[in-house]
Amino acid sequence: DADVTQTPRNRITKTGKRIMLECSQTKGHDRMYWYRQDPGLGLRLIYYSFDVKDINKGEISDGYSVSRQAQAKFSLSLESAIPNQTALYFCATKGSSTDTQYFGPGTRLTVL
Amino acid sequence: GQQVMQIPQYQHVQEGEDFTTYCNSSTTLSNIQWYKQRPGGHPVFLIQLVKSGEVKKQKRLTFQFGEAKKNSSLHITATQTTDVGTYFCAAGNNRKLIWGLGTSLAVNP
Repeated sequence: DADVTQTPRNRITKTGKRIMLECSQTKGHDRMYWYRQDPGLGLRLIYYSFDVKDINKGEISDGYSVSRQAQAKFSLSLESAIPNQTALYFCATKGSSTDTQYFGPGTRLTVL
Repeated sequence: GQQVMQIPQYQHVQEGEDFTTYCNSSTTLSNIQWYKQRPGGHPVFLIQLVKSGEVKKQKRLTFQFGEAKKNSSLHITATQTTDVGTYFCAAGNNRKLIWGLGTSLAVNP
């Protein structure tokens, strides 16, 4: 959905570099999520946030950190990238009254 | 924790054949959602099922929620090349979704 945007769309970086992936939404949703997708492993939750003061770890948060700068912005950081963090990363949003999630277009990250 | 098992992992069909993917849980689900991800795309919401035994249709797609609310299925009648992609089920708990691993559908024209 154009209402959820992610930058950059593609990124190649080297081991040890700090990387930030950004997500913005205009849907007015209070809940935002970061997932990574690897072939055969489906969507795995990294972090999620219910508002700017409520950040929660997902199932694979090690090696990642997040920042909820505003209701509309949720950033994912890799403090020191490693090759097994090469994956497709998705941001998603959700309103408080529904379980439906709306995804951004994804960021393809390659760590060499 | 709660898990959702989805089968099969892959399915190849000839155009015009039917396709079904199944989602199973060992625990009762409050609801189940289905998403489709086209190749190179992002997951897109298709439908949500909430009631025991619920059946919903979207053109050639039929979605069912089991009587015990522990399983669900997505059936596509007479597949077309536009149906290609990965279909995910996801169980909602208001905080987050528990995702199945998805079924990748390939359709040979």
